Amino acid sequence: QLQLQESGPGLVKPSETLSLICTVSGGSISSTNYYWGWIRQPPGKGLEWIGTIYYSGSTYYNPSLKSRVTLSVDTSKNQFSLKLSSVTAADTAVYYCARDAGGYDLDYWGQGTLVTVSS
Amino acid sequence: QSALTQPRSVSGSPGQSVTISCTGTSSDVGDYNYVSWYQQHPGKAPKLMIYDVSKRPSGVSDRFSGSKSGNTASLTISGLQAEDEADYHCCSYAGRYTVVFGGGTKLTVL
Repeated sequence: QLQLQESGPGLVKPSETLSLICTVSGGSISSTNYYWGWIRQPPGKGLEWIGTIYYSGSTYYNPSLKSRVTLSVDTSKNQFSLKLSSVTAADTAVYYCARDAGGYDLDYWGQGTLVTVSS
Repeated sequence: QSALTQPRSVSGSPGQSVTISCTGTSSDVGDYNYVSWYQQHPGKAPKLMIYDVSKRPSGVSDRFSGSKSGNTASLTISGLQAEDEADYHCCSYAGRYTVVFGGGTKLTVL
């Protein structure tokens, strides 16, 4: 059974960079059939797509976040990661990683991790 | 790229059917058959319920169905059960390898 697990600091200071890692187990991140994505959800609000990465390193970003987001993949560790720079309180959210089954549908999700931006 | 529009809340009694709408534009919902729906219980990760407008993943009850007309997609839940009470999010491909979600709808089973 495929599992995804987010990890990283739960508290980030304003203007700093948020960094999260998603570790995939029970399957290979190098599968040619799938993409890997990040989604966030501010408290009490809806979901927001952040971006998607393919095992080859090809990346696709939400235009509204593109200038601050960097996704990367480490196939040797079966992990992919998110970096969001210059964070503000508006970036406070639960951050999820998920598998994109290739048709822009997210069929496996991590449990999510709350990241709070505060000094 | 604007969020898709969903009603903030819907409700229904056990056994009834409810439909949740998801309105986009001719650049997302109206242009692609890549609409998906997610169920999210409080404190939990979203769960894929419908993909490609109307397809159900293995293990999802056939009480859940999806459709699309023009720029609006819909999720219908028939034979409402208490366990269906949750938030529901729609999602659509929006071109240029981008994806957009709706604001989410809270379903209350009365």
